[in-house]
Amino acid sequence: NAGVTQTPKFQVLKTGQSMTLQCAQDMNHNSMYWYRQDPGMGLRLIYYSASEGTTDKGEVPNGYNVSRLNKREFSLRLESAAPSQTSVYFCASSERGWGESYNEQFFGPGTRLTVL
Amino acid sequence: GNSVTQMEGPVTLSEEAFLTINCTYTATGYPSLFWYVQYPGEGLQLLLKATKADDKGSNKGFEATYRKETTSFHLEKGSVQVSDSAVYFCALGGGYQKVTFGTGTKLQVIP
Repeated sequence: NAGVTQTPKFQVLKTGQSMTLQCAQDMNHNSMYWYRQDPGMGLRLIYYSASEGTTDKGEVPNGYNVSRLNKREFSLRLESAAPSQTSVYFCASSERGWGESYNEQFFGPGTRLTVL
Repeated sequence: GNSVTQMEGPVTLSEEAFLTINCTYTATGYPSLFWYVQYPGEGLQLLLKATKADDKGSNKGFEATYRKETTSFHLEKGSVQVSDSAVYFCALGGGYQKVTFGTGTKLQVIP
C-alpha cells in the first residue's frame, strides 16, 4: 500500500517549457488535490477533484491545468512555465465525497520544481 | 472566507520543554480543525483532529482543544523530543472539502 505517490521528485525547467506532474493514490479515495507550498505562504490549493470526472479551481489556478484520468490518477500540467511557479507541489487525496464537512487528507512526498 | 492564523516561527526549544503553538481561526459554520505535521523532505501527515466544539484531539503526546468561544485550537505537548522537530500546520475544514491551512510553524528541538 503505497498511499499517494508523485513523480518526479525534482524538476528544473526553463521559462516557457511545459511539463506534467503525475499523482496516483491506491486508497480508493474519491477526492484529490494539488497544492503548492511556498515559504511564508503555507499551502495553497491549485485545483481539486471532488470525484472522478470532475475538477474545480482552487485558490491559485492560473497557469495550471489538471486532468482526473481515472479514480487513481490526477495530473497537473504547466503549459508554459514561469519563474513564479518555482515551488514545492503536493498532491493529496481524501476518502469522503462531495459535501462532507470533514475529511482527512493524505499527502504525497512532493515535487520540487525550479523554473529558471 | 475561512482563515487560519498561527504563530510565526521558528520555535526553538530544549528537549523535554513544554510546547505551545498558537492557532486561531475565522470560519462560517462549524468546521473541523486539524493539526498536520511535515517532517523534513516529506509531505504533510495528520497529527490530530477535532470535529466539534470542546473536543480534544490527541496523538503522540500532542493535544489540542477546539475552543469555539476563543476560536482557537492551540497545539501543546508536555515534553518535546528531538524527533518532534518539524513544521506544524493548523488547518480547518469546511464544506465541500476545501481545507484552509495556516502558514506553518517550524519547531526545532535541541538536545
